[in-house]
Amino acid sequence: EPEVTQTPSHQVTQMGQEVILRCVPISNHLYFYWYRQILGQKVEFLVSFYNNEISEKSEIFDDQFSVERPDGSNFTLKIRSTKLEDSAMYFCASSEAGTGRYEQYFGPGTRLTVT
Amino acid sequence: ILNVEQSPQSLHVQEGDSTNFTCSFPSSNFYALHWYRWETAKSPEALFVMTLNGDEKKKGRISATLNTKEGYSYLYIKGSQPEDSATYLCASYSGYALNFGKGTSLLVTP
Repeated sequence: EPEVTQTPSHQVTQMGQEVILRCVPISNHLYFYWYRQILGQKVEFLVSFYNNEISEKSEIFDDQFSVERPDGSNFTLKIRSTKLEDSAMYFCASSEAGTGRYEQYFGPGTRLTVT
Repeated sequence: ILNVEQSPQSLHVQEGDSTNFTCSFPSSNFYALHWYRWETAKSPEALFVMTLNGDEKKKGRISATLNTKEGYSYLYIKGSQPEDSATYLCASYSGYALNFGKGTSLLVTP
């Protein structure tokens, strides 16, 4: 069964460093998402991406964040200058369509630890 | 209700017990309600997407109902098994993003 994959599973970085989190969505899906969950809190929406551009973003997704689909398979989230409060589990998801009436398929997550 | 709320926060049942959880969500600007099952160290797994008031969906021993007018959904598990142990997340789709609850953590002991 097709699945969303994410690498790395765990990333440790120092404050101020840039990190890139990678995702391979399901191949025939058109909509891609990033979410995060800070320990003990709810899963929060960061950004959605369709047709090579951002379709929606939350207040969390400020100028320090960017997303890219550099080729036909990868979908990346870049954090330019990490802060301690960026420590969280980051989930990528994809769906066939973006109306919310379609299931979003999640990857296993990347745990980002900023020290 | 402005946020998605789930109750109880955690639940511990014996194998064979039936159980249910509640998800409350804003009834205005409602598009869809998603239920996910999330086991530790695994990807959240989509269980149901529900859109219509009165919807009832079933997958094996798990079923869900939806009331969009009052803004709640129930998830039922009949005859719980240890492999049902997981966190069950609901999320309301408001038109641009999934808004998640904190989840209900279910532990089923033999």
